Parts: sequence; C-alpha cells; structure tokens
Amino acid sequence: QVQLVQSGAEVKKPGASVRVSCKASGYTFTNYPMHWVRQAPGQRLEWMGWINAGIGSTKHSQKFQGRVTITRDTSASTAYMELSSLTSEDTGVYYCARYSSTWYLDYWGQGTLVTVSS
Amino acid sequence: QSALTQPASVSGSPGQSITISCTGTSSDVGSYNLVSWYQQYPGKAPKLMIYEGSKRPSGVSNRFSGSKSGNTASLTISGLQTEDEADYYCCSYAGSSTLVFGGGTKLTVL
Repeated sequence: QVQLVQSGAEVKKPGASVRVSCKASGYTFTNYPMHWVRQAPGQRLEWMGWINAGIGSTKHSQKFQGRVTITRDTSASTAYMELSSLTSEDTGVYYCARYSSTWYLDYWGQGTLVTVSS
Repeated sequence: QSALTQPASVSGSPGQSITISCTGTSSDVGSYNLVSWYQQYPGKAPKLMIYEGSKRPSGVSNRFSGSKSGNTASLTISGLQTEDEADYYCCSYAGSSTLVFGGGTKLTVL
C-alpha cells in the first residue's frame, strides 16, 4: 500500500533553515510527482510547490519563491523540502502529498510540525 | 494567487444535506474541471474526497458529491452523519502547473 512517511518535528530559530523529508513506499517513486503543502496553526492549507520525481524539475508557489528548495533522492524514494530564512510565520505543519494524474493529491504524509521560535 | 473562497462554517443535522461552495476565478475554477476536495480531522492529514470536480476515489461514500458552475465548485454531503464533522478544503488547478487551496470550511453536525 502507498505510504508517505515524513521526518520528525523540528524546532528552529528565526533565520535558520529546515529540511523535511518524505519517504515513499508502495509504488514506483519516479512515476509520481510529489507536492508540498503547509498549514499554519488553525489556518488553511497552503500549496508550496512540487517536484517531478522522475526528472527532478520543480515548480514553486510565488509566495515561497527564493526560499523553498524541493529535491529528491530516487535511490531512497525520498523527497525533501527545504525552507530557508525562517520566521515565526513559517511555524506550522508541512505535508508531502503524492500527485495523481489530473491535479489532485491522492496520498498524504502524516505531516511534520516545524516550530520557529527564538 | 489568492485563496479560493469558502464559507468559514456550515452546519446541519444528522440525515440532512449540506453544500459547501468554493468560489474562484476564471483563471482557476472557471477554466478547468480540476477541482478536488479534501476532508481533514483535527490533527490529521487531509484525505481526498472528490477529484476532477465530481469523481469519488474508491472507498469514499457516495453521500459525497461534487459539481461546478462557472467559477464556483460545490461539495454536497447528503445523509449527514456525525463522522462527517470535519474541515473541508477545495483545491483547484490554477494554470502554469500550480495549485490553489480554499480557505477551508468547518462542518458541524448538530
């Protein structure tokens, strides 16, 4: 069965960077793009970007342009999302989600809580 | 990209039907039949409920249905059950390989 398992919670200081991992299993990793979505406490889902797991190309939301880097390691079936120049407004839960054929997200990771605090 | 507009909350009694609207623009909802809906319980990851506007993934109850008219998509839940109480988010393809989510709607089953 398809599973996306994310790395554990992180606590970071303002100005630092954080990298969240998402290990996929149960399907051919390179056949499905991976998206990243975040959710600030009590707030809505917010789309961040995605990576074509096969060729490694990426697309980001303009909101995160210049601060987010999405990569993947095909040998480990793992996608990564790195967010830099963190502020308190980046506190929230970050989800990876597998993209399916017509712009929907069919499987989600369990989420990774990132707390930015001095 | 601005978030799609959803009502902050809706409520209904068990057995009733409710509809959650999701209003976008001609650049997203209005241009593509690529709206998906997600159910999210507190502290849990979202779950896909509807895709391509009106299709249900395997395992999702047929009490959930989706539709679209112009720039507005809708999710209807019929025969409300207490287990349907959750947050619901719409999401649309917005062109240029991007997605946009709605603001979310809290469903209360009275």
